[in-house]
Amino acid sequence: ETGVTQTPRHLVMGMTNKKSLKCEQHLGHNAMYWYKQSAKKPLELMFVYSLEERVENNSVPSRFSPECPNSSHLFLHLHTLQPEDSALYLCASSQDGAAWGELFFGEGSRLTVL
Amino acid sequence: DAKTTQPNSMESNEEEPVHLPCNHSTISGTDYIHWYRQLPSQGPEYVIHGLTSNVNNRMASLAIAEDRKSSTLILHRATLRDAAVYYCILRGRDDKIIFGKGTRLHILP
Repeated sequence: ETGVTQTPRHLVMGMTNKKSLKCEQHLGHNAMYWYKQSAKKPLELMFVYSLEERVENNSVPSRFSPECPNSSHLFLHLHTLQPEDSALYLCASSQDGAAWGELFFGEGSRLTVL
Repeated sequence: DAKTTQPNSMESNEEEPVHLPCNHSTISGTDYIHWYRQLPSQGPEYVIHGLTSNVNNRMASLAIAEDRKSSTLILHRATLRDAAVYYCILRGRDDKIIFGKGTRLHILP
């Protein structure tokens, strides 16, 4: 069991649907991250939240909308996605955002867009 | 952004040591060297990190060159469960952790 839990583990949605991915960390960390992992591509950093404020948005399309209501929870709201958005979405957390700090990852949410 | 270069894949026999190389010639003085690995169907997991000195933990050892332009992750006795993609990453004060393609390690029984 990791300290970072992601739900759902698998999600299939149509292009007109609205869904959300949820991430919860039980480690007392104050920074949270969303990464996208497409087939045969490196992990791509999408968003970074530190102390519940968004500090990084790597040119992610607006059809992906993150939300961090508190330091333990992170959401990724999805709407009008495209088939190329099908990927593994990984959440991670860390303490203080320090350069020596390690990231703890969840097991990911596998998204398929039809 | 600082970048790393790793071989695409490596093979090793079970119960033998494995040395995974990483080049990072543009490393800055404040960048930490981190290693993560990703087992099949799982999220990445932290392996080890260092700044200047060699580091050891229960999972692996990290050997850092004196000029810090390269490093080597050492698995002392590989098992089949060590088959994974290993990522060498530089982490600086901007807090970004940017993953490259990593090295896919195959362990032969």
